[in-house]
Amino acid sequence: AQKITQTQPGMFVQEKEAVTLDCTYDTSDPSYGLFWYKQPSSGEMIFLIYQGSYDQQNATEGRYSLNFQKARKSANLVISASQLGDSAMYFCAMRERGQNFVFGPGTRLSVLP
Amino acid sequence: ETGVTQTPRHLVMGMTNKKSLKCEQHLGHNAMYWYKQSAKKPLELMFVYSLEERVENNSVPSRFSPECPNSSHLFLHLHTLQPEDSALYLCASSQDSAGGRTDTQYFGPGTRLTVL
Repeated sequence: AQKITQTQPGMFVQEKEAVTLDCTYDTSDPSYGLFWYKQPSSGEMIFLIYQGSYDQQNATEGRYSLNFQKARKSANLVISASQLGDSAMYFCAMRERGQNFVFGPGTRLSVLP
Repeated sequence: ETGVTQTPRHLVMGMTNKKSLKCEQHLGHNAMYWYKQSAKKPLELMFVYSLEERVENNSVPSRFSPECPNSSHLFLHLHTLQPEDSALYLCASSQDSAGGRTDTQYFGPGTRLTVL
């Protein structure tokens, strides 16, 4: 079974608007971490934001925020005020306690001028 | 140098060649990883080293041979590869721990490998 699901293969957003990238996950472990990465066309995976399963508040890092809904097992990434440089692949990942990272298939975001 | 570096950035090799990919991390981490990223496929974990000991080998063909001489360096030795091995090879490092934000993996820029 898929541990990480990203249902949007591709998304478009107008520059300066906000966009939400979906991520749902599957685990029975109460202790886990959720991560989002950005991969521009150059190839490097850039860490964006982390959410722990026990964190009471949604994580925020600058223009990135994570909409964490634990009961629904969803961890959507919200990018506010999109910029042209945000065009990239975005990967959601999870690490359960004592396990390796599992990555989702990714969402390609295109920011339109 | 900061972060995680990988060399070379691009590599073209024939099926009979032997080459090596190099990864170096400057973050003081104690775990390093090799991933393979093929077109239209999720990231595949190949090898995990923690404290220089290999702890994971996800059924990778023996034509890929990792080496971790110390906690800062990781190599992937390649020999008699197949065209389907063409992919982006990413190295990552982390401060392997019991969990939390310190589990975050930091990636290098990758080596784009083409096997002819």
